Amino acid sequence: GENVEQHPSTLSVQEGDSAVIKCTYSDSASNYFPWYKQELGKRPQLIIDIRSNVGEKKDQRIAVTLNKTAKHFSLHITETQPEDSAVYFCAASTSGANNLFFGTGTRLTVIP
Amino acid sequence: GAVVSQHPSRVICKSGTSVKIECRSLDFQATTMFWYRQFPKQSLMLMATSNEGSKATYEQGVEKDKFLINHASLTLSTLTVTSAHPEDSSFYICSARGGSGNGYNEQFFGPGTRLTVL
Repeated sequence: GENVEQHPSTLSVQEGDSAVIKCTYSDSASNYFPWYKQELGKRPQLIIDIRSNVGEKKDQRIAVTLNKTAKHFSLHITETQPEDSAVYFCAASTSGANNLFFGTGTRLTVIP
Repeated sequence: GAVVSQHPSRVICKSGTSVKIECRSLDFQATTMFWYRQFPKQSLMLMATSNEGSKATYEQGVEKDKFLINHASLTLSTLTVTSAHPEDSSFYICSARGGSGNGYNEQFFGPGTRLTVL
């Protein structure tokens, strides 16, 4: 089955700096890669996703890159703000399967 | 769109009792719903996949007789924790697969239920 690894487990950045979270996956058939943000005690919320037919996607301060050859994808947050502080999860899935395989999460802290 | 609700948000029960958690897709039909368990500061652990009108598929190590799942309609799935014990205390989150029809597994999460078993 799919195995998703996520690094780092914790990340602290100064407000205004960029944050990068990286994930690797094992199943070359995976073709959908969402990123979720989870604040303490709340539901995970989809913030951006990328499909295997593109290498990069951007939405304002958030971008995701995908390298299918190397089987890794990354989340980039620019101009970080304190409200970006949360736990971020990457995930991978194949179109033929039902479920998402989640990474172990990264706790991002943005220091004002 | 794509709103998923979950009820109750918090429940405290005595050891040995059963607790039912409901997961509803409010504005779309979800043929597939998922139940996750999350321990503090840990990732989401998939417990089971629930398909409307059929038996749930449980992940390895999850007791199907303890965690009963029913998906009776396209908008409702329930998880019943039977004979709950303190070790069952956790944050339970459901998700529903979006009906985009393009084959991609977009999932939308409920707000979660915090279960505390005394």
